[in-house]
Amino acid sequence: DTGVSQNPRHKITKRGQNVTFRCDPISEHNRLYWYRQTLGQGPEFLTYFQNEAQLEKSRLLSDRFSAERPKGSFSTLEIQRTEQGDSAMYLCASSQWTSGRANTQYFGPGTRLTVL
Amino acid sequence: LAKTTQPISMDSYEGQEVNITCSHNNIATNDYITWYQQFPSQGPRFIIQGYKTKVTNEVASLFIPADRKSSTLSLPRVSLSDTAVYYCLVGDPSNSGYALNFGKGTSLLVTP
Repeated sequence: DTGVSQNPRHKITKRGQNVTFRCDPISEHNRLYWYRQTLGQGPEFLTYFQNEAQLEKSRLLSDRFSAERPKGSFSTLEIQRTEQGDSAMYLCASSQWTSGRANTQYFGPGTRLTVL
Repeated sequence: LAKTTQPISMDSYEGQEVNITCSHNNIATNDYITWYQQFPSQGPRFIIQGYKTKVTNEVASLFIPADRKSSTLSLPRVSLSDTAVYYCLVGDPSNSGYALNFGKGTSLLVTP
């Protein structure tokens, strides 16, 4: 399968715990995006990377959220001190971004987080 | 970012053609129109993208009038498996800072 993969698919945690999600983009895609989706809403953009550089992080929901893409391939999204309001689907997308072209983002299956 | 307006929900019978219209009155010159489909508990799936006139692929057609202030996604002969949420997005995908701006989408229900 050459699509975007995310692990784990489901995560249940207790309030106050830290969680980390992993995203493996389509091979050789230079851009990787993280979105969050709550029930009944469309996905909400959080942050993105161009290779290993995080180009936008002001939309991360709080300083408890952080993301990395250390070698420009896979990425991790960490939530520290989880709260019940963090319960959501966390989606990753990737694209082969080229200036001047209509770049398409391809999504993974998501990680469903439930905070008890 | 251009704001989009689309119906919250639509119903259809199997075998019918479904047209979902999206309004985007303040679309910018460099903006494209992109549609995604999402099934429950899955990530959105790219369906089609266009800039003007008509675009067709194996899944759908996208009709964009000359003023580009609206667009229509056309799904020919829908089946039960087309039941999903459909999102219309408008933006400039060549812009370095481009990120998808999803609304609530249109929930399509296909019944026998």
